[in-house]
Amino acid sequence: DGGITQSPKYLFRKEGQNVTLSCEQNLNHDAMYWYRQDPGQGLRLIYYSQIVNDFQKGDIAEGYSVSREKKESFPLTVTSAQKNPTAFYLCASSGQVSNYGYTFGSGTRLTVV
Amino acid sequence: EDKVVQSPLSLVVHEGDTVTLNCSYEVTNFRSLLWYKQEKKAPTFLFMLTSSGIEKKSGRLSSILDKKELFSILNITATQTGDSAVYLCAVPNSGNTPLVFGKGTRLSVIA
Repeated sequence: DGGITQSPKYLFRKEGQNVTLSCEQNLNHDAMYWYRQDPGQGLRLIYYSQIVNDFQKGDIAEGYSVSREKKESFPLTVTSAQKNPTAFYLCASSGQVSNYGYTFGSGTRLTVV
Repeated sequence: EDKVVQSPLSLVVHEGDTVTLNCSYEVTNFRSLLWYKQEKKAPTFLFMLTSSGIEKKSGRLSSILDKKELFSILNITATQTGDSAVYLCAVPNSGNTPLVFGKGTRLSVIA
């Protein structure tokens, strides 16, 4: 079945450490997105990618980095520069950026301890 | 300031009640407005409303878009406990850009 997989589901990190969240899709979608969700804040865009080897910053990109070396994969690295990284992270994909039928992954809950 | 504003932020109703969730937006070059339901983790798509499709209905859920007044409502009739979720409204900011989401409305339906 086609879908989008995020791993791990839960992640604990010590302050000062970088951590990478995985996002893989087999939907043959060109566009992929990372959103962050905090209680009462809705979803806020971190980064998005319209095509392989290209990505753009979203509204809250500081302290995060991404890569898009393969169409299927869009990993997100939370760096030590992110001041408040504890949150729920959602990855999504769509055919193109102008196609709003997003498919979401099940998310990764990151906790900094 | 927020481009997508949802209200109320939370709501508690009894089974069988009818609820109306609100979403107002402010974007340039409006293209579409989407509603999602988020029960636990992954949001699932409900409706997309556009200039050519301002009313959508699926079972007990329906949605209307008012392009003049820049808002949309999501109605749920005869609510069930399974309707308990966070309902998210989203619009593309402008042109071919990713969706901007509101903060969501947390609906709790109690038996």
